[in-house]
Amino acid sequence: AQKVTQAQTEISVVEKEDVTLDCVYETRDTTYYLFWYKQPPSGELVFLIRRNSFDEQNEISGRYSWNFQKSTSSFNFTITASQVVDSAVYFCALSEARLDRGSTLGRLYFGRGTQLTVWP
Amino acid sequence: DAGVIQSPRHEVTEMGQEVTLRCKPISGHNSLFWYRQTMMRGLELLIYFNNNVPIDDSGMPEDRFSAKMPNASFSTLKIQPSEPRDSAVYFCASSQRNRGSYGYTFGSGTRLTVV
Repeated sequence: AQKVTQAQTEISVVEKEDVTLDCVYETRDTTYYLFWYKQPPSGELVFLIRRNSFDEQNEISGRYSWNFQKSTSSFNFTITASQVVDSAVYFCALSEARLDRGSTLGRLYFGRGTQLTVWP
Repeated sequence: DAGVIQSPRHEVTEMGQEVTLRCKPISGHNSLFWYRQTMMRGLELLIYFNNNVPIDDSGMPEDRFSAKMPNASFSTLKIQPSEPRDSAVYFCASSQRNRGSYGYTFGSGTRLTVV
């Protein structure tokens, strides 16, 4: 069965500090997708990144970077030089993607989320 | 594209009343998902549809909940009768998986309060 674990329930940092949010997943599928979503205080779920299981390249987007390691089943998210606006709940999620499902995606399995608070 | 559209944004109802939540997915997306978010259980899948057909409804709490997708552009989630423990934020999401492109887009959610 698929499972996503975000062991850090809450993290507090001071502005300009770097912070890493951990995500560990479990799946028996050889093909799967990993996602990170941000949920600001306003409540919507904002897509940040997706990664498929065949692509272990790390990615950087501005102050955000992601480290995908299949060997440890981890997909960690780092914010460099954090800002107050980064304060939100961050969710890691896993999707199954069996080839026999054609053009459809399976369900998303979410972690419990990490509440990040960045203090000025 | 207007994104995934959910209505209403907020709903306050009395216990025992029927509640209907609505969702319009992104045009061209062939999967639609209903999630519920609570403090106790986090984000949990209620049901999802592929090409308008229900695929997995194992997350639907009980017979009081029902979901339909009569066409590719509309879905409803109905609770009848509602109970205070149904109070939560309900998200609808749609997705597609085309060559080189895949992902899920969430609506803004409906915050349901049952008093």
